[in-house]
Amino acid sequence: DAGVIQSPRHEVTEMGQEVTLRCKPISGHDYLFWYRQTMMRGLELLIYFNNNVPIDDSGMPEDRFSAKMPNASFSTLKIQPSEPRDSAVYFCASRGRGLALNEQFFGPGTRLTVL
Amino acid sequence: GQQLNQSPQSMFIQEGEDVSMNCTSSSIFNTWLWYKQDPGEGPVLLIALYKAGELTSNGRLTAQFGITRKDSFLNISASIPSDVGIYFCAGQTSGSRLTFGEGTQLTVNP
Repeated sequence: DAGVIQSPRHEVTEMGQEVTLRCKPISGHDYLFWYRQTMMRGLELLIYFNNNVPIDDSGMPEDRFSAKMPNASFSTLKIQPSEPRDSAVYFCASRGRGLALNEQFFGPGTRLTVL
Repeated sequence: GQQLNQSPQSMFIQEGEDVSMNCTSSSIFNTWLWYKQDPGEGPVLLIALYKAGELTSNGRLTAQFGITRKDSFLNISASIPSDVGIYFCAGQTSGSRLTFGEGTQLTVNP
């Protein structure tokens, strides 16, 4: 079974540029989460969706960050304009229904470097 | 907000030794999860715990959900070099948000 797929795996960009990160959740999962991981702050939840609807975006740092989920198999996290402090590893995770309600499965991450 | 205190922050052990790490919180959790993260990869779920007092094993790994619902531990028996990585605990109360510990960096010397 394919796991969570993220692209790109690595992104290097210059300050001020727009960055778009992509995620394909596990088929059949109805929850999708975006996390950011840094040495200083660890794993932080940015936003999550249920059935393509954003439920909690309280972790989104500021208006420069936006996330969409146009359908059940695709989500994007956009940063515009990007800043050096946005450099981090961004993870997408998905979760299904049933007994394993709280088991989130992570993608391989996108390592973002903003110069 | 909720915080998880994970300890130790790092461990250096010899191959074959047993390992124990734990997470504590001032909050009650309904679910405890343990993840392992290898360099350059995303966290991988190892064990999920859903009931207070529950003890669950996955191969050489054993985890327990504390009776008070405020703590959990993970044990690794007879460690091997591929156990190297960062281990995270995560707790969930209500809703869908997980709170993650700071991680335990495990190094296994052959």
